[in-house]
Amino acid sequence: DAGVTQSPTHLIKTRGQQVTLRCSPKSGHDTVSWYQQALGQGPQFIFQYYEEEERQRGNFPDRFSGHQFPNYSSELNVNALLLGDSALYLCASSFTGFFQETQYFGPGTRLLVL
Amino acid sequence: AQTVTQSQPEMSVQEAETVTLSCTYDTSESDYYLFWYKQPPSRQMILVIRQEAYKQQNATENRFSVNFQKAAKSFSLKISDSQLGDAAMYFCAYRGTGNAGNMLTFGGGTRLMVKP
Repeated sequence: DAGVTQSPTHLIKTRGQQVTLRCSPKSGHDTVSWYQQALGQGPQFIFQYYEEEERQRGNFPDRFSGHQFPNYSSELNVNALLLGDSALYLCASSFTGFFQETQYFGPGTRLLVL
Repeated sequence: AQTVTQSQPEMSVQEAETVTLSCTYDTSESDYYLFWYKQPPSRQMILVIRQEAYKQQNATENRFSVNFQKAAKSFSLKISDSQLGDAAMYFCAYRGTGNAGNMLTFGGGTRLMVKP
């Protein structure tokens, strides 16, 4: 049973560029959440996708956008990259049922903005 | 907004000993979920244990157990018989059940070192 997968593992970009990160949820899961984890801090919620729509959003600017595909996989896009966007980006998947399930995390994508 | 506080940036324990990591949270909700996640140097966030607020019984998972004090809004993690593989960052997380119930709110983490 494959867990949550993310690609790429590492990425280096320059200021002003755009980046796309990808996530495939755990088998049987239909909901994907994205988190940003700055060095030495706890993860911060970016947004969550369910049924191909953004269901909830954290305190992040519109430069951060996402998408969920019919197979439940998801993308996180960040435009006009800033130095402060350098972080570990974590994807978590879960199942939205009558009782919402626990979120399980992928290994993350380390983004470095120069 | 909910907040989660971990007041111990670093903790150290001798192998085979017991250690307790602290977590407090602030919420106005009566129904919610609490989690402890472990993040080793490999970066993958691994679920350690989960507690439903409506359950009075403290959750246990093998060597890991929690002390959930709902009135005090406290949720500590006890690791018994500590092993070298337990060395990692530990994060306490909260998830509500209201309109904002889809997101996890994390504490700042506690780095646990295990001495051989």
